[in-house]
Order: sequence, then C-alpha cells, then structure tokens
Amino acid sequence: KAGVTQTPRYLIKTRGQQVTLSCSPISGHRSVSWYQQTPGQGLQFLFEYFSETQRNKGNFPGRFSGRQFSNSRSEMNVSTLELGDSALYLCASSLEGAGGQYGYTFGSGTRLTVV
Amino acid sequence: AQSVTQLGSHVSVSEGALVLLRCNYSSSVPPYLFWYVQYPNQGLQLLLKYTTGATLVKGINGFEAEFKKSETSFHLTKPSAHMSDAAEYFCAVSLNQAGTALIFGKGTTLSVSS
Repeated sequence: KAGVTQTPRYLIKTRGQQVTLSCSPISGHRSVSWYQQTPGQGLQFLFEYFSETQRNKGNFPGRFSGRQFSNSRSEMNVSTLELGDSALYLCASSLEGAGGQYGYTFGSGTRLTVV
Repeated sequence: AQSVTQLGSHVSVSEGALVLLRCNYSSSVPPYLFWYVQYPNQGLQLLLKYTTGATLVKGINGFEAEFKKSETSFHLTKPSAHMSDAAEYFCAVSLNQAGTALIFGKGTTLSVSS
C-alpha cells in the first residue's frame, strides 16, 4: 500500500514569504503529526492532528500552523519565513491516533530552504 | 519535562561486530519508547517500540532493545553489524500516554567498516 506522501520534496523560498506543505497519510490513518529536522536542533515536534482536530502542539511560534481535512490529508503553513526555518519537514501518520501502540510511518519529507 | 539522551553522536563498528547504541530517557510516567532509523535523504523508519509487557523488544533487521526501568534506559543492539546498517538512529519517547508527540534524541550515526 502507498506510504506517507509529502509534497513538494524540495522548496526554495525567500525570507518574509509564506509556504504551505502537504502530507497525505497512509490510507486509513487518521492521525498526522509534523516534525521539523535541523542539524542544530534535531527532530522537534510541531503538532499533531486527529480527525481534523489539533490534539498536541510543540513549542513553536504562531507562524507555524496546520490543519487536517476530512480525508485526513494535512497541510502545514509557515508565514513570514525566516532563515532559521530552513529544515527538513517530516510528516508522520498513525493508525487511530495511537502512535504508542502502532508506531508512526514517516514520509520522506519536504526540504525547505529559505534564502 | 521528558527528554531523551543518546550517548555518542557517532559509533563505528566493523562488519560482524556487535552494535550497541545507547539511549536514556527521563520520564515521570511509564513511557512509550521507540527506535527509528534514517537513511540519507529519507524519512524515518520504525525499528521497534516498547509499550507495555515484555521488556526485551525485537524489531526489524535483527535489532532489539531492552527497557530497563531502574536505569531509565532503552539501548539498541544487534549481534552482528552489516554494511547496510550504516545510517542515523534516533531514540524517542512519547510526551503522553497515547504515545503521540514524540521527543527525539539527537541521533547516533552508525558507521560500519569492512
């Protein structure tokens, strides 16, 4: 079956712009989480959505937002981009929101470069 | 606050040697614990997870980990390293009892030489 699909794979944006990243979870998975990966900070949790509701949120500024649609697809948005937002953004999905029971399946990520 | 410490950012072994990657966590409640592997330019792949029950957990590709509550450790081992095991490995703990919102360690890069 198809895995977690993230689009686009690569993105270059200018400081001050905004960006939207997309994630399609595995069919049947209703939980979607987003993580930011940078060389300095490592992997950091952004937020988690389950059945269109945000259940958990990490320690990121309000410029980072997300949403989940009724088909479980999710988008995250970053407004007013800063150089420090350059990172690999990973999306992960899980069955029934029980990541502890089933683990997460990660996508290959979107590599965002802010110039 | 929960945190994960991976001792050693880089571990080098010879092919056929034992692999030991160390992970310690701090948690006020019994945690969900995970090991993930990341190959270059790819996402993370789940190796194994501990939820409840047996403390020795077997995962994919011959890896296993033992949950030791008294030591707050969840070290990853593999009896015999293979060249294809070269990758970055991440230990993670959940922020809540649903097992979501993972906190990751900084990662350990495993190099395997022939």
